[in-house]
Amino acid sequence: DADVTQTPRNRITKTGKRIMLECSQTKGHDRMYWYRQDPGLGLRLIYYSFDVKDINKGEISDGYSVSRQAQAKFSLSLESAIPNQTALYFCATGSSLGENNEQFFGPGTRLTVL
Amino acid sequence: AQKVTQAQTEISVVEKEDVTLDCVYETRDTTYYLFWYKQPPSGELVFLIRRNSFDEQNEISGRYSWNFQKSTSSFNFTITASQVVDSAVYFCALSEAGTGFQKLVFGTGTRLLVSP
Repeated sequence: DADVTQTPRNRITKTGKRIMLECSQTKGHDRMYWYRQDPGLGLRLIYYSFDVKDINKGEISDGYSVSRQAQAKFSLSLESAIPNQTALYFCATGSSLGENNEQFFGPGTRLTVL
Repeated sequence: AQKVTQAQTEISVVEKEDVTLDCVYETRDTTYYLFWYKQPPSGELVFLIRRNSFDEQNEISGRYSWNFQKSTSSFNFTITASQVVDSAVYFCALSEAGTGFQKLVFGTGTRLLVSP
C-alpha cells in the first residue's frame, strides 16, 4: 500500500463548486504539505502544516483553505473553484525528526475546473 | 529569498547520447539541501538525490551523476547513455536551514525527450 494517498486522483468540476482534495499518510510524519503544479511553473507551495494545530500559508494560498483533521490527514478545499485552479495537486509529508529533510509525495490529483 | 533556476525548458536527445540538466540556485543560508526529482509521463514525483551544502563531492548512481559546485551555485545532473525511459520532466529543488529545511522551493523543471 502507498504511504501517501490522495483522493480523488482525477476530478472535473464546474466554476463556483466547492471541492475538497484529501490526503492521508501512513508514514507517521508530523509535517504535511499541499503543492500545485502548473505547466512551466514547477511546483508551488499552497499550505503546510507542521503538526495538527499548526497551519501556515505558502506561496499561493489565495482561494484555498486546509484542514488538518488528524496527524495522518490533511485536506485542501477550494471554496468556489475557478478555471485558473485547474492544475495537478500534490500532497507531501515530512518528519521533523528526519535527518535527511526529504519530502514524500503522493501520486497527485488532477483537477479540471470548467 | 531562495530561488531555483532551470533555464532549459526542454531538451531533446537521441538514445545513447549523454545529457546534462542545469540547476542554479540562490540562497542566503550557508546550510541547505538540494534535491532532484523525476516526473515521468505517469505524473508521480520520484526522488532521485539529496545533497547537503557541506558535501561537494560528486555522486554517481549508475547512469546518473550529479555535479555540485558551491562556487557557481549549481547542482547539475548528467544522464550518461540516455534511454527512452529517461524521458520525463526533471525538477531541481532547494530547502534551507532558515525554514527548518522543511519548505521545498522547486525550479520550473526541464522536460527531457529521449527518442529511439
